[in-house]
Amino acid sequence: DAGVTQSPTHLIKTRGQQVTLRCSPKSGHDTVSWYQQALGQGPQFIFQYYEEEERQRGNFPDRFSGHQFPNYSSELNVNALLLGDSALYLCASRPGGTGVWTEAFFGQGTRLTVV
Amino acid sequence: SQQGEEDPQALSIQEGENATMNCSYKTSINNLQWYRQNSGRGLVHLILIRSNEREKHSGRLRVTLDTSKKSSSLLITASRAADTASYFCAPRPGNTGKLIFGQGTTLQVKP
Repeated sequence: DAGVTQSPTHLIKTRGQQVTLRCSPKSGHDTVSWYQQALGQGPQFIFQYYEEEERQRGNFPDRFSGHQFPNYSSELNVNALLLGDSALYLCASRPGGTGVWTEAFFGQGTRLTVV
Repeated sequence: SQQGEEDPQALSIQEGENATMNCSYKTSINNLQWYRQNSGRGLVHLILIRSNEREKHSGRLRVTLDTSKKSSSLLITASRAADTASYFCAPRPGNTGKLIFGQGTTLQVKP
């Protein structure tokens, strides 16, 4: 079992550009969440996807959008990048949708640097 | 504001000693999870404790939950240098789909 995999590992973008991050959930998991972790801080919830729909959203602007595919993999898109978007972006997956809760497993993250 | 607040922010101990980290949260929860993070990489799941549970064990880890005080603690017994990492508690409020993280406790275990 490969666990949760994210790509790319590192990324450098210029302010104003757009970026797409990818996540493949752990086998058997159908629910994917994205988190942003700034340096020295804990992860902050961005949004959650289940059945290809955004089910819940944290306090992030519309520049942050996502998608979930039929195979449960997911993408996080950030438009009009700001310097403050520099962070570690973490993907988490679990089974069960919005119902019964089990452990959420995280990927190794994508380190995004905006210059 | 973040719900899961860990205390202390930093902890330094000798190998073989026990390490205790505390977590406080603000609202009612469905469950609470503890995670470890090494060097700013991915989070490793340690333990999930449900709101109707009071204590849970996993190897050298012991987690307690006091819902009346809205607090949890993580005890690592017989610590090892490899336990050096940041530890986060993540309460799950109600039936929401999100976990709420604090700033974590940075644990250093000296050999």
